[in-house]
Amino acid sequence: AQSVTQLDSHVSVSEGTPVLLRCNYSSSYSPSLFWYVQHPNKGLQLLLKYTSAATLVKGINGFEAEFKKSETSFHLTKPSAHMSDAAEYFCVVSRDNFNKFYFGSGTKLNVKP
Amino acid sequence: DGGITQSPKYLFRKEGQNVTLSCEQNLNHDAMYWYRQDPGQGLRLIYYSQIVNDFQKGDIAEGYSVSREKKESFPLTVTSAQKNPTAFYLCASSISPGKRYEQYFGPGTRLTVT
Repeated sequence: AQSVTQLDSHVSVSEGTPVLLRCNYSSSYSPSLFWYVQHPNKGLQLLLKYTSAATLVKGINGFEAEFKKSETSFHLTKPSAHMSDAAEYFCVVSRDNFNKFYFGSGTKLNVKP
Repeated sequence: DGGITQSPKYLFRKEGQNVTLSCEQNLNHDAMYWYRQDPGQGLRLIYYSQIVNDFQKGDIAEGYSVSREKKESFPLTVTSAQKNPTAFYLCASSISPGKRYEQYFGPGTRLTVT
């Protein structure tokens, strides 16, 4: 069963406009959730994580995400896109029994000048 | 600088040859992982290791092998039994096993087999 669904494979925004990357997960009880960013031919960099503390999580580079248990969502947002935000973003959920980190299929963010 | 190194960045091999991808970390992390990335498929777990001299198969272990003889090293061998080895391979580590601990990733190795 799919544990993480990234609802958009591609998102295109203009520089200076808000960014919304959507992620839904399926997991029983107390998941940990992460967002990573990957620039072309590079490794993944952690943007932010949720591990059952505050539901609104702030990350690096102005990104934040809100854990909504009732909607099983963990959408990534940023108030104002920058050209350097163009990259691929991955939502990741960790299940209750360890060592299973499930990656979404990724969302490619394009930022237009 | 602390981090994870993978070498080489690009690797080319002929079909039928085994090839070993290097992964080294100086973060003093206990857990290490190997993932395979294909376009449009996210990352898939090949093998992971929670501690030295121990490792477990992930979701797509067939045709791969690993070793964990030292805490800082977790090499991956792609054998000739792997039917479609061309991919981008990522190594990661985390401070400890457990769902709360984020993974740190290396820069990746792009393997091309012809």
